[in-house]
Amino acid sequence: GDSVTQMEGPVTLSEEAFLTINCTYTATGYPSLFWYVQYPGEGLQLLLKATKADDKGSNKGFEATYRKETTSFHLEKGSVQVSDSAVYFCALTLRGGYQKVTFGTGTKLQVIP
Amino acid sequence: EPEVTQTPSHQVTQMGQEVILRCVPISNHLYFYWYRQILGQKVEFLVSFYNNEISEKSEIFDDQFSVERPDGSNFTLKIRSTKLEDSAMYFCASSPGGLSTDTQYFGPGTRLTVL
Repeated sequence: GDSVTQMEGPVTLSEEAFLTINCTYTATGYPSLFWYVQYPGEGLQLLLKATKADDKGSNKGFEATYRKETTSFHLEKGSVQVSDSAVYFCALTLRGGYQKVTFGTGTKLQVIP
Repeated sequence: EPEVTQTPSHQVTQMGQEVILRCVPISNHLYFYWYRQILGQKVEFLVSFYNNEISEKSEIFDDQFSVERPDGSNFTLKIRSTKLEDSAMYFCASSPGGLSTDTQYFGPGTRLTVL
């Protein structure tokens, strides 16, 4: 079945450090890929998405590139802020109609001043 | 910006009681979903709903669960007889039709505590 594997957390970084959260996937079809973010006490917010190979999704300084050859969708940010502290979920869905989202386990990021 | 809303934000119930979790999806969306997240675990798919019927359900979604879109705006999840293991955060989501069907927008969640 479809699955998403992301790096274990928690990840602790100093403010302005470079962030990478690794994500790889397995899918039977041709998926769309997503990063969702969950801030403390809040719900899931769509951070960025990519729908085909070599697409780059970006938002709020975060980027991720859909790499079909390595089945990866790593999340990066050049300079993190304290306000980026949250849990980040990599996810996929197959194309076409009503398709469930398959989530990774989530990676908790803590940014310290 | 339109958003998915859910009520209540927190529900506490006794084991064996029925609960109804409510969601108002984004108004022009056609596909509706429920997911749950047990504390510290990954978000899991429960059910998808389209054109007034269930499209897909997971093995978690047994006979104790049901969904309904009673009035064209609300989307509800009912748990008939709650168990301790039903304690979780429940997320509603919706997605538009057409080319953007793959993007689901999530509500803030309802935390269900079964005592």
